[in-house]
Amino acid sequence: DTGVSQDPRHKITKRGQNVTFRCDPISEHNRLYWYRQTLGQGPEFLTYFQNEAQLEKSRLLSDRFSAERPKGSFSTLEIQRTEQGDSAMYLCASNGGTVMSTDTQYFGPGTRLTVL
Amino acid sequence: AQSVSQHNHHVILSEAASLELGCNYSYGGTVNLFWYVQYPGQHLQLLLKYFSGDPLVKGIKGFEAEFIKSKFSFNLRKPSVQWSDTAEYFCAVNARAAGNKLTFGGGTRVLVKP
Repeated sequence: DTGVSQDPRHKITKRGQNVTFRCDPISEHNRLYWYRQTLGQGPEFLTYFQNEAQLEKSRLLSDRFSAERPKGSFSTLEIQRTEQGDSAMYLCASNGGTVMSTDTQYFGPGTRLTVL
Repeated sequence: AQSVSQHNHHVILSEAASLELGCNYSYGGTVNLFWYVQYPGQHLQLLLKYFSGDPLVKGIKGFEAEFIKSKFSFNLRKPSVQWSDTAEYFCAVNARAAGNKLTFGGGTRVLVKP
């Protein structure tokens, strides 16, 4: 499968714990995006990378959230001291490169986070 | 900042009926427009997109959408739906001058009854 992959697919945690999600983009894509989707809503932009540089962060991304893409390939999204309001589906998308359209974003299956 | 509005939250229709989902956006500059679909248990998939040129774009599975710049609209249509079109549909906008992020509408859940 050459699509965007995310791990884990589901995460249940207790309030106050830290969690980390991983995204592997389509291999030739140099741009990677994180979105958050809550029930009944469309995805909301969180942040994006071009190669290893984090170029934009949404106001939604509080200080408890941090994202990295150290080698310009996979990315991690960490949430510290989770709160119940962090429960959502966290989506990763990628685009850019020479093979596919440079503007269409291709989405992964998401990581569903439940904070108890 | 750009925003996207989808008028219908839920649509229920029978097979062979025609479908039209409304999408309006607010942004004064040049935009790229997308419709994504999420089938039950699956991830978001691109249905169709508009970047430039012919404002009537055709996508997969018989869907089409028309960009009307004067109305800031990008409505999705399908002349005859099938049960397999049951899904959630999202309109999204990428404002070219505002970077690469997508702004999504709230989605429309479509249920097609067999």
